[in-house]
Amino acid sequence: DGGITQSPKYLFRKEGQNVTLSCEQNLNHDAMYWYRQDPGQGLRLIYYSQIVNDFQKGDIAEGYSVSREKKESFPLTVTSAQKNPTAFYLCASSFLGSSGRIDEQFFGPGTRLTVL
Amino acid sequence: AQKITQTQPGMFVQEKEAVTLDCTYDTSDPSYGLFWYKQPSSGEMIFLIYQGSYDQQNATEGRYSLNFQKARKSANLVISASQLGDSAMYFCAIGLNDYKLSFGAGTTVTVRA
Repeated sequence: DGGITQSPKYLFRKEGQNVTLSCEQNLNHDAMYWYRQDPGQGLRLIYYSQIVNDFQKGDIAEGYSVSREKKESFPLTVTSAQKNPTAFYLCASSFLGSSGRIDEQFFGPGTRLTVL
Repeated sequence: AQKITQTQPGMFVQEKEAVTLDCTYDTSDPSYGLFWYKQPSSGEMIFLIYQGSYDQQNATEGRYSLNFQKARKSANLVISASQLGDSAMYFCAIGLNDYKLSFGAGTTVTVRA
């Protein structure tokens, strides 16, 4: 089945540790995105990538890093520099306007990160 | 920068009735797309409906329809014949040609039996 997978579903981290969240898609989408969601709020863009080996900062990139070595994969590392990392993290992917319109983003199930 | 405003933090609707969720946006770009997503308690974001800025007709997808008023910069979602499974958080988002989406704060809908 085509879709986006994220792992793990729940992640616990001690302060000062880096953690990496996985995101994989088999939809042949060009672009991939990482969002952060805090309780009762909307989504905020962390990083996005439109092509392999290239990515851009979103609105809240500080304390995060990404890589895009393969089209299917876009892992997110939450570093110890992120002051308040406890949140729900969502990965998404999309085509790049191949249908003559702005394509919708498809989302994974999310990873809930808690810093202890 | 573009901005999305959803003024209704929470709404209650009776089963089988219709509900309208408000969304206003602000952008100076003439080319954009408006999206509505549903987020149930499981957390996954589910795409519902899309409206392009140049589309002449309001978008419809099953029980979902979009009341698009371009001059007023509003894109309200109408859910007809509400079902208990419609209880969720609903987000409006705007996308420009840079392919990024900006989301509103969301509206929680609770359907009562």
